[in-house]
Order: sequence, then C-alpha cells, then structure tokens
Amino acid sequence: GNSVTQMEGPVTLSEEAFLTINCTYTATGYPSLFWYVQYPGEGLQLLLKATKADDKGSNKGFEATYRKETTSFHLEKGSVQVSDSAVYFCALTPAGGTSYGKLTFGQGTILTVHP
Amino acid sequence: DAGITQSPRHKVTETGTPVTLRCHQTENHRYMYWYRQDPGHGLRLIHYSYGVKDTDKGEVSDGYSVSRSKTEDFLLTLESATSSQTSVYFCAISDQGNEKLFFGSGTQLSVL
Repeated sequence: GNSVTQMEGPVTLSEEAFLTINCTYTATGYPSLFWYVQYPGEGLQLLLKATKADDKGSNKGFEATYRKETTSFHLEKGSVQVSDSAVYFCALTPAGGTSYGKLTFGQGTILTVHP
Repeated sequence: DAGITQSPRHKVTETGTPVTLRCHQTENHRYMYWYRQDPGHGLRLIHYSYGVKDTDKGEVSDGYSVSRSKTEDFLLTLESATSSQTSVYFCAISDQGNEKLFFGSGTQLSVL
C-alpha cells in the first residue's frame, strides 16, 4: 500500500537558519504530493503541493520538489522565523482520478524556532 | 477560513459508552472526512463521505461508524468506546475531492 515516511523530530532551529525536513514515499505510479502545516491548537492547512515529477511547490518561502527517481519530496526554507514553529506533515494521494481526496500522511515533524 | 465546526471540542468518557462527534460545514462541499491523529502515526483516515448517504471506510474504521443525512453534517460514532480510541479527531472537507482539504480544529477525546 501507500506510505509516507518523514524524518524523525523534533527539529529545533534558531531564527534565520536553513530548514530541511525530509520526506520519502512509497506508491505506485505518480501520486500527488503535499505538505500540510499544523499550528498549535489548530487544524491542518495546506502549505504546498506538487502533482507531477520535477514539479516544485512553493508558498510562504517554503519549497519542495517532486523527485520521482528518489521518491522524495523534501521541504526546505532558506530562513525560518519564530512564527514557522508548527508541526509539518508530508502526505500523498494516489495516482489516478478516484482517490476521493483521501490523503496518506507521514507521522509529522515538530519544528521549534527560537529567537 | 473554511466554515467547519467540530463539536464537542473536548470530551471525556468511560469505556463502553457510546460517543458521537459532529462535523458541521457551511461550504456546501461534497466530500467530508474523519481522521484521527496519534503521536507517531500522523493522521489516519477513519471514514469518508462522497455525498449524502454515501460513505466508505478508511484505513482505521474498526469500532467506528458514520452517517451523513445532509450535506452539511457528518457524524462519527464510537458504538462502545475503548481506551485505544483516545485521540484527537479531525474533520476535513473538500470541494472537488482531489487535492485541497480544509480541516476543522479537532476534538480531543479521552476514554477512561
């Protein structure tokens, strides 16, 4: 079946540091890939997405590139802020048109950014 | 923000009692989902709905049932709650059933 594996957390950084959160997946064909973010006490929000190989999703200074050859979708940001402290989830939906939006999530990575 | 309301926000119950969680949306989206969030597991799909009275099982559906009698409401029922069902439950909605899900703020359920 489909699965998503994220790097172990938590991740603690100083403000303006470079961020990488690794994500790899197992799925047949070409799934759509997503990063969701969960701020404290809130539900998840879509951060960015990519729907085909070599696509780069970007939003709010975050980027991730769909790498089919390494089955990866790593999240990066060049300079993190305290307000980026949250839990980040990598997720996928299967290839094809009948997924009904059902997401398979990774386990989540807690990011804490200190001033 | 998408209009999604989950109720209750917090609940403590005893093993063996029935529990119903409600998700109400004002967006008229066709698709609705129930997920549970547990440490080390991320979010896992319990049940989903692709229309009124149309529902199907997700990855972790054992011990749960759902009903959707109208577009705006999606109910999740634990027929006889167990301690393993202690979790945070999230409702989500989607218009096209493809990519972008909007999530509610969650229900913290504790089964003692």
